[in-house]
Amino acid sequence: GQQLNQSPQSMFIQEGEDVSMNCTSSSIFNTWLWYKQDPGEGPVLLIALYKAGELTSNGRLTAQFGITRKDSFLNISASIPSDVGIYFCAGQLRGSARQLTFGSGTQLTVLP
Amino acid sequence: NAGVTQTPKFQVLKTGQSMTLQCAQDMNHEYMSWYRQDPGMGLRLIHYSVGAGITDQGEVPNGYNVSRSTTEDFPLRLLSAAPSQTSVYFCASSSRADGGEAFFGQGTRLTVV
Repeated sequence: GQQLNQSPQSMFIQEGEDVSMNCTSSSIFNTWLWYKQDPGEGPVLLIALYKAGELTSNGRLTAQFGITRKDSFLNISASIPSDVGIYFCAGQLRGSARQLTFGSGTQLTVLP
Repeated sequence: NAGVTQTPKFQVLKTGQSMTLQCAQDMNHEYMSWYRQDPGMGLRLIHYSVGAGITDQGEVPNGYNVSRSTTEDFPLRLLSAAPSQTSVYFCASSSRADGGEAFFGQGTRLTVV
């Protein structure tokens, strides 16, 4: 079953605003990944995190691997229209190497 | 580079029919996998392979078969299609042995009527 809780499910923001989304679990993860999916396309990797406490940026995107290894967040600063899409967290559970578990996604809409 | 190529992009099947979804990658990745995506549920792992001749089950393997005879190809077979298998299917490959940082294909939208 679903072992990752991703929130919020959807967000409507104004262009230029910052946005934050997160994933939590009751289980420990060894890896956290953040993907973006555009309509009709496959997910594209945004950021990969491998160590507890790690904070990594990719342009306007910043993600962190939680200290407890049970959560991660993604921040997008100064949103632009092309940020629209579905954002997924994914992780590798401790003890389930070689398998990715995905969150249910956050649908982001950026209003002009 | 083409990356991960899936065919077909769309398919309609009748209940009970069988078919094979094709997946090929040109990045020489050892790890390949198949996911299904259903509304509100994210992606769920069906089967994966860590190299030619090696396959293993993921979270939702029932009703699907895979084989890996070459590094490049990883087809997914539906043995007897059911309406519950209506979904979008994604193939992915990774240069990491643990399957992380996966590259995804564009998906196959399958409808079973």
